[in-house]
Formats: sequence, C-alpha cells, structure tokens
Amino acid sequence: GAVVSQHPSWVICKSGTSVKIECRSLDFQATTMFWYRQFPKQSLMLMATSNEGSKATYEQGVEKDKFLINHASLTLSTLTVTSAHPEDSSFYICSATGTYYEQYFGPGTRLTVT
Amino acid sequence: GQQLNQSPQSMFIQEGEDVSMNCTSSSIFNTWLWYKQDPGEGPVLLIALYKAGELTSNGRLTAQFGITRKDSFLNISASIPSDVGIYFCAGHLGIQGAQKLVFGQGTRLTINP
Repeated sequence: GAVVSQHPSWVICKSGTSVKIECRSLDFQATTMFWYRQFPKQSLMLMATSNEGSKATYEQGVEKDKFLINHASLTLSTLTVTSAHPEDSSFYICSATGTYYEQYFGPGTRLTVT
Repeated sequence: GQQLNQSPQSMFIQEGEDVSMNCTSSSIFNTWLWYKQDPGEGPVLLIALYKAGELTSNGRLTAQFGITRKDSFLNISASIPSDVGIYFCAGHLGIQGAQKLVFGQGTRLTINP
C-alpha cells in the first residue's frame, strides 16, 4: 500500500515552454501532497504544500507564478513549471501524507531545460 | 528554523559490516522517519517512529526514537550491496497544521564488496 506515482519520469523541454508533472496516490487518498526539488548530492528542498481543494502554500523564495500547483482531487496533484529556463532543470519529487504524518514519495521527475 | 544534523555525511564500509547513523535536533519532534533514496529515485520510507524511546526493527534495520525527542538513530546489520544509497532522517512535529517534514542532510553509504 501507500504507492505514489509521478508522470513523466523524465522530460526535456526547450527554454520558454511549460511542463506539467503529475503526482498520483494510487491506493490511498491524500488530503495533503508536497512538492520537493532536489539538486545533486543534496537533501530535499520543500517547494510547496498542496491541500486538496485549496491554494498551495509555497515556501519562502519559491515563485508561485512560476511553479503552479493544482490539487484537484484526493489522488492527484500537478506541478506546472511555466516558462522554463535552464536553471529550472532539476529532480522534482512529490509526496503524499499517510495516516500519521509520514510521507510517501513518488519516484521523481527529471526535468532538463535546453 | 528547525534543523536536523545527520551524521556521518558519508560512510565507506565492507560488505557484512554493521552501520550506524544518527540525527540530532535542537527542537523536539513527535515523529521520526528514516528514508532511503537510490540514485534517480524518490525516497522510500524504511521506519517510522512515533513514541519517545520506541525501538523498531524492519529486517536488518533498527531505529530508535530518542527519549529526549531530539534525536534518533538507524542501525543496519550485516550490510549487503543493495544497502548502498543515501539515508535521510526526517522529523515531524506531529500536530495538525504543521505538516512539513524537516530533513537531515543525508548519509551516503558506499559498500566495498
């Protein structure tokens, strides 16, 4: 149980285009989902907390107009990187909260902006 | 802000050896979690601890929630090649409205066959 999927697993896009990443909880309902960014050899950096049916809460320094988050249902949250630039290239990981505050992570999405 | 100090940052061991890593904090947490991350993958939850003093095992892994609620350790016994990866500790306040996890910097485990 507690499986989280992400799609796509990797994406290459051109500078200036937008990319959408999906995060799904496959076998449980997730009221809260999280989006992280991870740079090589570093820990996870929380970007935003996403609650179903309400606006996401962004961490300090994360541009909410650039990283659009939608949590439309209890099993789906999406992250859209708008007008992507090479500096947005990174590993993006989502997670969903279980019963007792533990988080279950998706497999991650590798974004490369050329 | 809250921080978790995880040590060691890296370990180089021989296959079959036992491994020990720990996390400490200046703040109290009500939940401690240990994750393992393989290259190019998301972290996988290994052990969750919810009670001060709790000692929990998952196969060859054993983790403890410190009695002060400010620390936790993870032990791996008789290491095998598939144990290679990065291990993260994470703490949670365990209260509604404070949903974020605080992560340690990670321990990178390398095993020589």
